[in-house]
Amino acid sequence: DSGVTQTPKHLITATGQRVTLRCSPRSGDLSVYWYQQSLDQGLQFLIQYYNGEERAKGNILERFSAQQFPDLHSELNLSSLELGDSALYFCASSGGSMRGEQFFGPGTRLTVL
Amino acid sequence: TQLLEQSPQFLSIQEGENLTVYCNSSSVFSSLQWYRQEPGEGPVLLVTVVTGGEVKKLKRLTFQFGDARKDSSLHITAAQPGDTGLYLCAGPNAGTYKYIFGTGTRLKVLA
Repeated sequence: DSGVTQTPKHLITATGQRVTLRCSPRSGDLSVYWYQQSLDQGLQFLIQYYNGEERAKGNILERFSAQQFPDLHSELNLSSLELGDSALYFCASSGGSMRGEQFFGPGTRLTVL
Repeated sequence: TQLLEQSPQFLSIQEGENLTVYCNSSSVFSSLQWYRQEPGEGPVLLVTVVTGGEVKKLKRLTFQFGDARKDSSLHITAAQPGDTGLYLCAGPNAGTYKYIFGTGTRLKVLA
């Protein structure tokens, strides 16, 4: 158990809909990262937050947005969903050290029908 | 942006064989991490290497960081079916806050 929690574990929705994925980092970790992993693909970095502020952005679509709240949990919002958005979405947290180790949650499997 | 290329991309071996996975970059990394990911689960951190030439052992797994800190390797001795998974190297991108993952090596160990 990494200490990172993600909800929900599974999400099935229709095209055009909007969903929110939630992540709680490990106790004490200030950084939260979001990744997308499509079937048999590598991890695609979406966005990073540090102590409530956006710190780095990857290939995140304009239909996607995220935020980190004062209690450090984070939410990833996906809107106008398309079939191609079906994927595993992972959240990871780190303590912000220069070494960069990340601890991953169990993921949310999103299926868009 | 720094890139991390892993080789081989796929590897299927018999139980008891040895193998090495490589992670290469043209850029220097301040540290590199290795993760293992099983299907449908999040990657799990195996090790961090920081110093050029550093060697770390984790049971049957041996990790090495290149002298110039541009490459790393993972050697597995006497592989077991439980070693099956996706192996990822990763590291912080110098000068930014981005974290770079390697292209991945998918290992299957047959009983």
